Amino acid sequence: GESVGLHLPTLSVQEGDNSIINCAYSNSASDYFIWYKQESGKGPQFIIDIRSNMDKRQGQRVTVLLNKTVKHLSLQIAATQPGDSAVYFCAENIYNQGGKLIFGQGTELSVKP
Amino acid sequence: GAGVSQSPRYKVAKRGQDVALRCDPISGHVSLFWYQQALGQGPEFLTYFQNEAQLDKSGLPSDRFFAERPEGSVSTLKIQRTQQEDSAVYLCASSYTGFSYGYTFGSGTRLTVV
Repeated sequence: GESVGLHLPTLSVQEGDNSIINCAYSNSASDYFIWYKQESGKGPQFIIDIRSNMDKRQGQRVTVLLNKTVKHLSLQIAATQPGDSAVYFCAENIYNQGGKLIFGQGTELSVKP
Repeated sequence: GAGVSQSPRYKVAKRGQDVALRCDPISGHVSLFWYQQALGQGPEFLTYFQNEAQLDKSGLPSDRFFAERPEGSVSTLKIQRTQQEDSAVYLCASSYTGFSYGYTFGSGTRLTVV
């Protein structure tokens, strides 16, 4: 069935290091992907998105890579800061199914000062 | 308003009780989505409105769950005869289009059924 999953449920990094969070998806009809950050007690917050016709997109300190061949998505955070500590979710939108998003389980990022 | 507002923030219900959860989307946002998030899991889609029309309710887990958006703005998610497995955070999101980009989530309502 449709699924979006994450390889690592928890990730601990030192402040200033780069972080990489991975995600696998199974539906080849997915045409749009989003990374969200969720802090305790809050709703998911948009970080960065990418369409299926792209393989890389950069934002401020974040980069998303998309490999459609192996159905893999990654989020890279440069110079990770304590404020980056949160749970990160990838989500996919399947073409022609409206705005419904399918979320993965999430990776908890912990940044040590 | 500036963001998506959900109320109440916390709700404790006795098993068998009916509950109503409210979502105030961002003004002018056409689309409204409800998601259910169990502890330690990603959000799961429940239902979607475009204006007052409910276009997709495929994610509602049972006929005890009902959502409405009668005037195309505020939405209410109602759960009848609550059960322990209904305990979760219920998230609302709105978007100015019917597409995923431009989604803004509220902080959610944490429902605990005892």
